[in-house]
Amino acid sequence: EIVLTQSPGTLSLSPGERATLSCRASQSVSSSYLAWYQQKPGQAPRLLIYGASSRATGIPDRFSGSGSGTDFTLTISRLEPEDFAVYYCQQYGSSPTFGQGTKVEIK
Amino acid sequence: QVQLVQSGAEVKKPGSSVKVSCKASGGTFSSYAISWVRQAPGQGLEWMGRIIPILGIANYAQKFQGRVTITADKSTSTAYMELSSLRSEDTAVYYCAREGGVPRLFDYWGQGTLVTVSS
Repeated sequence: EIVLTQSPGTLSLSPGERATLSCRASQSVSSSYLAWYQQKPGQAPRLLIYGASSRATGIPDRFSGSGSGTDFTLTISRLEPEDFAVYYCQQYGSSPTFGQGTKVEIK
Repeated sequence: QVQLVQSGAEVKKPGSSVKVSCKASGGTFSSYAISWVRQAPGQGLEWMGRIIPILGIANYAQKFQGRVTITADKSTSTAYMELSSLRSEDTAVYYCAREGGVPRLFDYWGQGTLVTVSS
């Protein structure tokens, strides 16, 4: 099983600031099968990024993903009030796994 | 517009079973796999298994093998997840999620069903 470790656990930032979230895999993620989801309290996760760097339908361009192999990054260029949430990375190989999440909170 | 609507919250006794449904609309149900993902209170996401409705083939995460059964009814566009031998650690919100063409990548999610296991 591929273990995904996200850092930091919590990110305290102000609206307008840049957020950089990290996801590290215990072994190489094949074909960059790495996705990012956003989850707000009481809601289901929402797909943001797939293939490490492709935005899902309707996702604003302030969200971007990068990385390959074992190290991946989600960047939110300028935080909007609606972006404060928990973010999960996921590898979608044969047995999918999720990271433990990074909470982006208002400073 | 694809929608996945799940059944309501359940309270179960330890040792019993629960069956959660997920009704799809707005898409071609049989063409896409449906996965089940759970989230314990305040915790992260955990994949349980999936089914390809057109084939009726399911596969499960090793952790849940022997305890979970995922089925699908093409005639009603509904997927089901049954979990048996419930214990308190199974208290969680259970989500169904559609795999929109890329296996195990989840583009649409149900609203979640809270299952509480308590004596």
